[in-house]
Amino acid sequence: GENVEQHPSTLSVQEGDSAVIKCTYSDSASNYFPWYKQELGKRPQLIIDIRSNVGEKKDQRIAVTLNKTAKHFSLHITETQPEDSAVYFCAASSWSNDYKLSFGAGTTVTVRA
Amino acid sequence: DTGVSQNPRHKITKRGQNVTFRCDPISEHNRLYWYRQTLGQGPEFLTYFQNEAQLEKSRLLSDRFSAERPKGSFSTLEIQRTEQGDSAMYLCASSLAGYNEQFFGPGTRLTVL
Repeated sequence: GENVEQHPSTLSVQEGDSAVIKCTYSDSASNYFPWYKQELGKRPQLIIDIRSNVGEKKDQRIAVTLNKTAKHFSLHITETQPEDSAVYFCAASSWSNDYKLSFGAGTTVTVRA
Repeated sequence: DTGVSQNPRHKITKRGQNVTFRCDPISEHNRLYWYRQTLGQGPEFLTYFQNEAQLEKSRLLSDRFSAERPKGSFSTLEIQRTEQGDSAMYLCASSLAGYNEQFFGPGTRLTVL
């Protein structure tokens, strides 16, 4: 099955700086890579995703890059704000598995004011 | 609220008791997934349905776990003879078949004493 590894497990950044979270996956058949943000006690919320036919996707201050050859993908948050503080999870899935998600262990991001 | 809903939000039970959780997906979504999340970890896939058919069960789902989606709408997850190791957040997600995005409910937090 798919194995997703996520680094770092914790990340502390100064407000206004950038944050980068990296994930690797094992199954070359994976073709869909979402990122979820989970605030304490709340549901995981989809913030951005990327499909394997695209190398990069951007949505305002958030961007995701994908390197299929190396089997890794990254989340970039620019101009961080206190409300970006949360746990971020990467995930991987494929159409052949009906898109059931395999998650990384999560990164706790703290934005210092 | 047109999002995924789950009930109850919290359940405390004694070891050996049976518990049942309910998930109501987004109304037009025909795929429904169950995940389990323990503290400090990403969600782990348990099982999923397309309409009323249960298409896959993870090996994490022991014989004490059973899930149903009798009319292809809401789903229930039952745990029989609960054990302390069952303590976790149980998350439900829904999606449209053929589409990648999964939307999560708020989860049911189970504590087994």
